[in-house]
Amino acid sequence: DTEVTQTPKHLVMGMTNKKSLKCEQHMGHRAMYWYKQKAKKPPELMFVYSYEKLSINESVPSRFSPECPNSSLLNLHLHALQPEDSALYLCASSQVFAGGSYNEQFFGPGTRLTVL
Amino acid sequence: GENVEQHPSTLSVQEGDSAVIKCTYSDSASNYFPWYKQELGKGPQLIIDIRSNVGEKKDQRIAVTLNKTAKHFSLHITETQPEDSAVYFCAASKKAAGNKLTFGGGTRVLVKP
Repeated sequence: DTEVTQTPKHLVMGMTNKKSLKCEQHMGHRAMYWYKQKAKKPPELMFVYSYEKLSINESVPSRFSPECPNSSLLNLHLHALQPEDSALYLCASSQVFAGGSYNEQFFGPGTRLTVL
Repeated sequence: GENVEQHPSTLSVQEGDSAVIKCTYSDSASNYFPWYKQELGKGPQLIIDIRSNVGEKKDQRIAVTLNKTAKHFSLHITETQPEDSAVYFCAASKKAAGNKLTFGGGTRVLVKP
């Protein structure tokens, strides 16, 4: 299995809602990532988990809350979002080699989020 | 931090012709340079990558070259086909940055049949 899956594919939520995005991989990768991608722009890193521990938070607002319950799953909990948070949210995973070296990142198809 | 510039932003080629996309990076410590292809409605897909100890890498119709001295790297697609139409992103990363990928702005490639 060489796939990163993300659910849901599309999500529409109001500014007072609480929702979660889910990402799953079964490649044995121990690094997982959340990216945000606005239209016609490159992906922007939000969070990195390494061995289920948060290793990078790119100064993301607290209304985005990541969680890595095990080595295969990555969640992004959303609360009190703003319309400008509407974007494609991408999950990725990669191996972590000895010495902390990383390898290529495999991306999922993304969740298209619309905040009304 | 790292900054990656990518050119051109759009590229239109005739089927069968070659396409070249160029990227420059600012951090001389960057040592890993992947290229991603993103089709409409999909996530980025890794198509080729190169590490700083290699100057060139080929995979069928795709090749990447790296000039560490000048801090630039390029993607070459030969014998382009309509299915090569997509947005291509270059990126750079280094171990010290926790494998954070810094992406270029993207190139929209259109292959005309």
